[in-house]
Amino acid sequence: DAGITQSPRHKVTETGTPVTLRCHQTENHRYMYWYRQDPGHGLRLIHYSYGVKDTDKGEVSDGYSVSRSKTEDFLLTLESATSSQTSVYFCAISSNRDGYTFGSGTRLTVV
Amino acid sequence: KNEVEQSPQNLTAQEGEFITINCSYSVGISALHWLQQHPGGGIVSLFMLSSGKKKHGRLIATINIQEKHSSLHITASHPRDSAVYICAVDNTDKLIFGTGTRLQVFP
Repeated sequence: DAGITQSPRHKVTETGTPVTLRCHQTENHRYMYWYRQDPGHGLRLIHYSYGVKDTDKGEVSDGYSVSRSKTEDFLLTLESATSSQTSVYFCAISSNRDGYTFGSGTRLTVV
Repeated sequence: KNEVEQSPQNLTAQEGEFITINCSYSVGISALHWLQQHPGGGIVSLFMLSSGKKKHGRLIATINIQEKHSSLHITASHPRDSAVYICAVDNTDKLIFGTGTRLQVFP
């Protein structure tokens, strides 16, 4: 969907290195979310944002931080990547009118 | 007990069959969403429901707010419908997800 893009699409990184994933939207939606998807767990919320500089933790926030300095960008940072953070990461945006739109996902492998 | 339960977990069908996937939830919601994910693919929103019924092509979604239950129906199923279908409910501006139903439609 052209309204939301994630980068990178794939990344392999070493344990202990910092990693930043980017989510960019062109819809001017207030709410943005970061999820991870793992076999047997489904989608789990990491962090979300309800406006510029307004963020909150989800159910699996340990080891992750986020920043939202502009409406269109929501960054997810793994401060020091661990193998347990190997996953597929999805960004999403939402509005009352349009519901949820998901990005294409980022496949992250921590070796 | 999960707050959003889907059934069945896995479903196989022959092309042309009528498919039903069920979702029950136990929390208050502002809306319910049906999502589709093809293998290795992204997540697509199919429906957002707060009451009644919606139809899009061969897909129909219904919700009964009193019974806290929703169904997703696929008429005249096709192999390209093979995917994981996920029910999610909007609860205090966050989604709570079901574990998904894996559908395989064989020619």
